[in-house]
Amino acid sequence: DAGVIQSPRHEVTEMGQEVTLRCKPISGHNSLFWYRQTMMRGLELLIYFNNNVPIDDSGMPEDRFSAKMPNASFSTLKIQPSEPRDSAVYFCASSRIARNTGELFFGEGSRLTVL
Amino acid sequence: GIQVEQSPPDLILQEGANSTLRCNFSDSVNNLQWFHQNPWGQLINLFYIPSGTKQNGRLSATTVATERYSLLYISSSQTTDSGVYFCAVRGSARQLTFGSGTQLTVLP
Repeated sequence: DAGVIQSPRHEVTEMGQEVTLRCKPISGHNSLFWYRQTMMRGLELLIYFNNNVPIDDSGMPEDRFSAKMPNASFSTLKIQPSEPRDSAVYFCASSRIARNTGELFFGEGSRLTVL
Repeated sequence: GIQVEQSPPDLILQEGANSTLRCNFSDSVNNLQWFHQNPWGQLINLFYIPSGTKQNGRLSATTVATERYSLLYISSSQTTDSGVYFCAVRGSARQLTFGSGTQLTVLP
């Protein structure tokens, strides 16, 4: 079975450029999560979706960040304009949640470097 | 929100040694998972264990939900066990809350 698939695996860009990260969750999962990992802050939840609907985006740092889930098999996280402090590893994860239970599975992450 | 504390923060072992990692949480949980983040950054699922005991090879885990803690046991450690071990829990909210991790280094 395919796991959570993220692209690109690595992205190097210059400050001010738009960055789009992509995620395909595991088929049949109804919840999708975007996390960011840095040395300073560890793993932070940015936003999560349930049945393609954003439920909690309180972790999104600021208006430069946006996320969409147009269908059950695809999500994007966009940063526009990017800044050096956005450099981090961005993880997508998915789960089949029922009654607040359900195992979470992570993709391999997208390592973003903003120069 | 729910608080998750892991101990120890760092652990150095000789190959072949055993170890116990601990995860304390501040409220009742519906979900508890242990992950291993390897040196390449991948987050690998180890156990989904909201309660009880599970074993997988040299690893086992026990969660005592009524006392709000979980333990991860690693026996006969190998260098490939090195990395960061995260505990993550879900309470009433849908999202997992992660602990700050235990950095394990296994020396040859």
